[in-house]
Amino acid sequence: DAEITQSPRHKITETGRQVTLACHQTWNHNNMFWYRQDLGHGLRLIHYSYGVQDTNKGEVSDGYSVSRSNTEDLPLTLESAASSQTSVYFCASSESGVWDTQYFGPGTRLTVL
Amino acid sequence: SQQGEEDPQALSIQEGENATMNCSYKTSINNLQWYRQNSGRGLVHLILIRSNEREKHSGRLRVTLDTSKKSSSLLITASRAADTASYFCATDGGTGGGNKLTFGTGTQLKVEL
Repeated sequence: DAEITQSPRHKITETGRQVTLACHQTWNHNNMFWYRQDLGHGLRLIHYSYGVQDTNKGEVSDGYSVSRSNTEDLPLTLESAASSQTSVYFCASSESGVWDTQYFGPGTRLTVL
Repeated sequence: SQQGEEDPQALSIQEGENATMNCSYKTSINNLQWYRQNSGRGLVHLILIRSNEREKHSGRLRVTLDTSKKSSSLLITASRAADTASYFCATDGGTGGGNKLTFGTGTQLKVEL
């Protein structure tokens, strides 16, 4: 069965370190998205991609970057982790149409000390 | 800022009762979606309603959409303990908004035995 996976599921790091969160989907979806979820804020969009070599900034993109070298993967990099980036991160994917729903990964809980 | 705002933030009911959650949004949309999130898990799509639809049913779920008031409601009938979860509405960006979604802050539903 097609799925979307994230790794690691839990990560503890220190302020200033570079961190990369992996997202891999086997749906063959063109669209991929990264969100962070914090209490009181719901899900906020960090970056998104509509296809290979395409990346776009979302609502809260500062301090984060993504690259899309193939259809299946959209890794999220925190260039220099900050305590404000402690959060739960979700990756999602969808097909190309406006009516398409998003399929979510299980999430990565990141703690920045 | 959040496109969708759910009301109430938290809801506690007895098994067998109906649960109603409301969502308000700010800009024009092509569609509105509802997602469920169980504790510690990713979001799961429940139902999508298009902007030209007023009501949609799926099993025990009933969604209404009032584009003149920019609001939607999700009704879960004959609730079960397994319905305990957080529920989020999500809207697209309307014409030219692309395939990205904006999520509300969610309603936490607790169904007690």
